[in-house]
Amino acid sequence: GENVEQHPSTLSVQEGDSAVIKCTYSDSASNYFPWYKQELGKRPQLIIDIRSNVGEKKDQRIAVTLNKTAKHFSLHITETQPEDSAVYFCAASIDGGFKTIFGAGTRLFVKA
Amino acid sequence: NAGVTQTPKFQVLKTGQSMTLQCAQDMNHNSMYWYRQDPGMGLRLIYYSASEGTTDKGEVPNGYNVSRLNKREFSLRLESAAPSQTSVYFCASSSVREQYFGPGTRLTVT
Repeated sequence: GENVEQHPSTLSVQEGDSAVIKCTYSDSASNYFPWYKQELGKRPQLIIDIRSNVGEKKDQRIAVTLNKTAKHFSLHITETQPEDSAVYFCAASIDGGFKTIFGAGTRLFVKA
Repeated sequence: NAGVTQTPKFQVLKTGQSMTLQCAQDMNHNSMYWYRQDPGMGLRLIYYSASEGTTDKGEVPNGYNVSRLNKREFSLRLESAAPSQTSVYFCASSSVREQYFGPGTRLTVT
């Protein structure tokens, strides 16, 4: 069945450095790719998303890139801060619908 | 707006007991979902409801049942709890793209 692979499972960076999380998806029909951030003990919340007709999207310190041919998409966080420490999930779906498949998550630690 | 609410927040069950997790949303969304979250496995879809009156199985439906009571409410029932169902359960609702999650229910089955 469809799946989304996410790497790395754990990432530790120094405050101010950049962090990159990568995902691959299997269903070529997927056209919507959200990223969720989950702080410890909290619910996942959408931080950025990208549709398949766009190759890159940026929102302040975070950006996502999408390579449809290779079925890869990535989250880039620049100038990391301790409050960026959380678990990040990528996901892939068709039109944001019922078959949203989540990656296993990346636990990001930002060391002050 | 309260968004998506879930009850209870915590629950401990003995093997074989039953319980219902409640979920409600006030965003007038058609679609609602139940996920379980286990360490290292991300969010796995248990059941979803595309609209009031319809429900469908997700990736891991065994041992669960759901009811879409009305547009606002979507409940998850464990008829005979097993230790393998120890997990954190999230309800979510969505419009056309973003999923809005509830605060979660931490369930332990002993």
